[in-house]
Amino acid sequence: KAGVTQTPRYLIKTRGQQVTLSCSPISGHRSVSWYQQTPGQGLQFLFEYFSETQRNKGNFPGRFSGRQFSNSRSEMNVSTLELGDSALYLCASSLKLMNTEAFFGQGTRLTVV
Amino acid sequence: QQQVKQSPQSLIVQKGGISIINCAYENTAFDYFPWYQQFPGKGPALLIAIRPDVSEKKEGRFTISFNKSAKQFSLHIMDSQPGDSATYFCAASGLRAGNMLTFGGGTRLMVKP
Repeated sequence: KAGVTQTPRYLIKTRGQQVTLSCSPISGHRSVSWYQQTPGQGLQFLFEYFSETQRNKGNFPGRFSGRQFSNSRSEMNVSTLELGDSALYLCASSLKLMNTEAFFGQGTRLTVV
Repeated sequence: QQQVKQSPQSLIVQKGGISIINCAYENTAFDYFPWYQQFPGKGPALLIAIRPDVSEKKEGRFTISFNKSAKQFSLHIMDSQPGDSATYFCAASGLRAGNMLTFGGGTRLMVKP
């Protein structure tokens, strides 16, 4: 069974640009969550999607958004990039809503210059 | 507000020794406590998890001890091996706590041969 797949693995963007990251969950998993990992703030929850609906949102500005498609694949978008958005963005999938086993992808390393 | 506190930040253990990492939580609505292992350049991998109805769970060389009254839980790695050298994260979640994973700050473990 394939794991969680995130694309692309690496991205370099310029301040002010926008970026879209993609996540394909484990087959059969319907919940997808996104996390930001930085050396200073650690792992922070961005949002969770289940059955194409955002179920929960972390404490991030509105520049961070996401969506989930009918096949459970998810995308997150960051608009008007700032230097502080440089981070490893991780996607996790689980069979049901979080609070059960969650499996992470390898992440997308975003660098904003 | 950091709801899960993890210690120590770094740990050096000799091969064959016991590695112990501790976490404390504040939110009594948490009812699921997983541990993740992360190698450089990889996403966190689920190691072992526990729910509050048991005080201990063991899987191979990894054991979680859980103290509900003290709101603390810990990871013990028996017979630590150099291949265990990684960063370990404790986490907590709960259906009544927003359902997302709240992570500790991480412990960088180095096992010396």
